[in-house]
Amino acid sequence: ETGVTQSPTHLIKTRGQQVTLRCSSQSGHNTVSWYQQALGQGPQFIFQYYREEENGRGNFPPRFSGLQFPNYSSELNVNALELDDSALYLCASRGEGYQETQYFGPGTRLLVL
Amino acid sequence: AQSVTQLDSQVPVFEEAPVELRCNYSSSVSVYLFWYVQYPNQGLQLLLKYLSGSTLVESINGFEAEFNKSQTSFHLRKPSVHISDTAEYFCAVKDDGSNFGNEKLTFGTGTRLTIIP
Repeated sequence: ETGVTQSPTHLIKTRGQQVTLRCSSQSGHNTVSWYQQALGQGPQFIFQYYREEENGRGNFPPRFSGLQFPNYSSELNVNALELDDSALYLCASRGEGYQETQYFGPGTRLLVL
Repeated sequence: AQSVTQLDSQVPVFEEAPVELRCNYSSSVSVYLFWYVQYPNQGLQLLLKYLSGSTLVESINGFEAEFNKSQTSFHLRKPSVHISDTAEYFCAVKDDGSNFGNEKLTFGTGTRLTIIP
């Protein structure tokens, strides 16, 4: 148990739709990161939030956006879904201190038809 | 930019035999190194990590990894595997924290370890 939860566990959408994925971090974990893991691949960094502000982003278009809330929950929003967005989406949180480890949630599996 | 190479996409091993999963990385800055394990239909679990100090790090379930700076490697080993070790293993790197705020983990493509009874 990592103390990081995600919802929903599975989701099916159609191309062009919008989706919101949710993550709940451990209390005190001020940094949350989101990753996309396509089938058969390693996770790819989407972006990270620290104290409710985005402070790092990977090579993903602006239709991927996020929010982080004071209660240690966060959201990943994806607009105009494409077939290639089908993947496992993972969130990871960490506490303060530069040697703190990131702990991953179980992920949300998104299928875009 | 950083990159991680896991040379073996699949490794079949007989039960109770030793195993080594290879990981090489490339980075222009000092890094922290991690091995994560992913069981079927689950998220990632931290197996072990190297931050500083002794270059040999161990996990609670018998895995160990050695950081070799000159060879930019962080290979994962276990002297005797069990059926329950069947999983996907990912090697990852990140900046050593001197640039606070950059928490990005860069992952390899993974190695699927299959234990043969």
